[in-house]
Amino acid sequence: DVKVTQSSRYLVKRTGEKVFLECVQDMDHENMFWYRQDPGLGLRLIYFSYDVKMKEKGDIPEGYSVSREKKERFSLILESASTNQTSMYLCASSLGPLVDGYEQYFGPGTRLTVT
Amino acid sequence: QKEVEQNSGPLSVPEGAIASLNCTYSDRVSQSFFWYRQYSGKSPELIMSIYSNGDKEDGRFTAQLNKASQYVSLLIRDSQPSDSATYLCAVKMGGAQKLVFGQGTRLTINP
Repeated sequence: DVKVTQSSRYLVKRTGEKVFLECVQDMDHENMFWYRQDPGLGLRLIYFSYDVKMKEKGDIPEGYSVSREKKERFSLILESASTNQTSMYLCASSLGPLVDGYEQYFGPGTRLTVT
Repeated sequence: QKEVEQNSGPLSVPEGAIASLNCTYSDRVSQSFFWYRQYSGKSPELIMSIYSNGDKEDGRFTAQLNKASQYVSLLIRDSQPSDSATYLCAVKMGGAQKLVFGQGTRLTINP
């Protein structure tokens, strides 16, 4: 079974803090993704990575950065947290690359509240 | 026009009936299509994938794909209360290295 884990289920941070969200997968997947999910807006892609040290901007990268130093780990960084970054953050991974069988598996999510 | 569109619902279906969930997409060269189930407060769980025109069955679930009409659907036979959830349609667009998700359809199965 594919296992994607995220460092925290719930997180409360103050405005202006630097926030790190960690994601680890144990299936040697090439691709990893960070999404946020908000009511009425659905799942939106923030960043993704298709290899170690490689990253691509998704649809809403502003205010975020990412790091992928090892294949199994993909970190999302909020450089200076703001209240509009309060959301559910979901990490996903897939075996990749772009052929049939491109199935993404999600971690349990981190519900981040910025006060 | 949104890239992937779903009726947000809620869709209410009696227990034992067939639930039909629909999704349309805008990119004609889309290649891969997925249905995820998401229970309240939980992360999305992959339940079906489909890549070719036609039907694909897995237990009580059937995914149907019609690329000419840019339409993908999910049928749930013998609906159970445990099927109550939000169902997300996801499409891999063209050559992109990512999925685009619909807003999701909230399904309620009434005992």
